[in-house]
Amino acid sequence: VLTQSPATLSLSPGERATLSCRASQSATYYLAWYQQKPGQPPRLLIYDAFNRATGVPVRFSGSGSGTDFTLTISSLEPEDFAMYYCHQRGNWTIGQGTKVEMK
Amino acid sequence: QVQLQESGPGLVKPSQTLSLTCTVSSGSISTGGYHWSWIRQLPGQGLEWIGYIYNTGNTYYNPSLKGRVSISVDTSNDQFSLKLSSVTAADTAVYFCARLALCCYTFDSWGQGTLVTVSS
Repeated sequence: VLTQSPATLSLSPGERATLSCRASQSATYYLAWYQQKPGQPPRLLIYDAFNRATGVPVRFSGSGSGTDFTLTISSLEPEDFAMYYCHQRGNWTIGQGTKVEMK
Repeated sequence: QVQLQESGPGLVKPSQTLSLTCTVSSGSISTGGYHWSWIRQLPGQGLEWIGYIYNTGNTYYNPSLKGRVSISVDTSNDQFSLKLSSVTAADTAVYFCARLALCCYTFDSWGQGTLVTVSS
């Protein structure tokens, strides 16, 4: 089971966003983060816990290992307001998501 | 950049079989190192990985779907397909096909998704 928190994060552009993903069993480093905007498929942001996918801005960073992982957006841009999902290797569920909304 | 595109009926009657096809372009489904997946998103909910197939035909299915799922591959046409039997309204969702890169265990390419509604 993957538990993402908080369910909703209300922030303003320029603020820092910290999203959490907790796995019920160790994922070592095999954890990915995805961003999804309305009407679009998810987009890969981070893989192996901390590696940015091609073309992902440096303001996105991932950290953690084992069962606790974090996605940080250092300074929110208007285009960053979206849903974010984490996915653990071997898990059939791709998280319930955290919605980052504009305050 | 590989592209994926789902196709199939947008409306299925309860108890019938949902059938979707994903066409892969700008790349080959026979390329090693990838699993070809179906994922769905129930209304207002998260993402559920339905299952996947390798180009050899080996398949893996989400146990939660209790034997209702079948995924097949047609390498000659660079397509893979999903069948979900005995559907109910609870299977109404946006269905995505996606490519899972085994190197990093990530879904690195996705189709745009297709809404399938189960209703009489």
